[in-house]
Amino acid sequence: SQTIHQWPATLVQPVGSPLSLECTVEGTSNPNLYWYRQAAGRGLQLLFYSVGIGQISSEVPQNLSASRPQDRQFILSSKKLLLSDSGFYLCAWRPRETGGRETQYFGPGTRLLVL
Amino acid sequence: SQQGEEDPQALSIQEGENATMNCSYKTSINNLQWYRQNSGRGLVHLILIRSNEREKHSGRLRVTLDTSKKSSSLLITASRAADTASYFCATSRIQGAQKLVFGQGTRLTINP
Repeated sequence: SQTIHQWPATLVQPVGSPLSLECTVEGTSNPNLYWYRQAAGRGLQLLFYSVGIGQISSEVPQNLSASRPQDRQFILSSKKLLLSDSGFYLCAWRPRETGGRETQYFGPGTRLLVL
Repeated sequence: SQQGEEDPQALSIQEGENATMNCSYKTSINNLQWYRQNSGRGLVHLILIRSNEREKHSGRLRVTLDTSKKSSSLLITASRAADTASYFCATSRIQGAQKLVFGQGTRLTINP
């Protein structure tokens, strides 16, 4: 069965520090991968998605970047964090071929607090 | 851009009652999905309804879709305390099916 991991679970970082959040998927090949951010009490904002190694689509201009160095690894990074980067970051995957379902499967999330 | 919107934003009912949440969207879709999120956790897929379907059931869940009104509803029957969570609708657009567009969610509280 497929499993998605995210770490760390919680992170407190000072403004201006770098960031690296990691997401890995097990039990599947060639997944689509997604990074979302969720502000407190709000919906999900899609940040990046990837349909293959090295292929990254950015949804909103921001202080963050994403990379996919391996098929089942998706990394969210920042060189210098801003206060506004605080939030709950969720990684998700779905099969490349969905048969029209497009259901996504989410990781447990990383709560980031920038102080 | 398309934006799913749920209403109400928050709903509080007694255990055993039915809970109804609504979702509206703006553009043509392939399908509409509902997800659940327990506090501080990731989202879990509940049910998917295709654009050519009008109603779908799964256990205590009933979803309807009205593409002419660009709206959907999620009904949870005989609610339980464990149903307390946030519920989000998400749409897969005809153009750009690689992505889902999520609404802002309905916070459901079931009082014992």
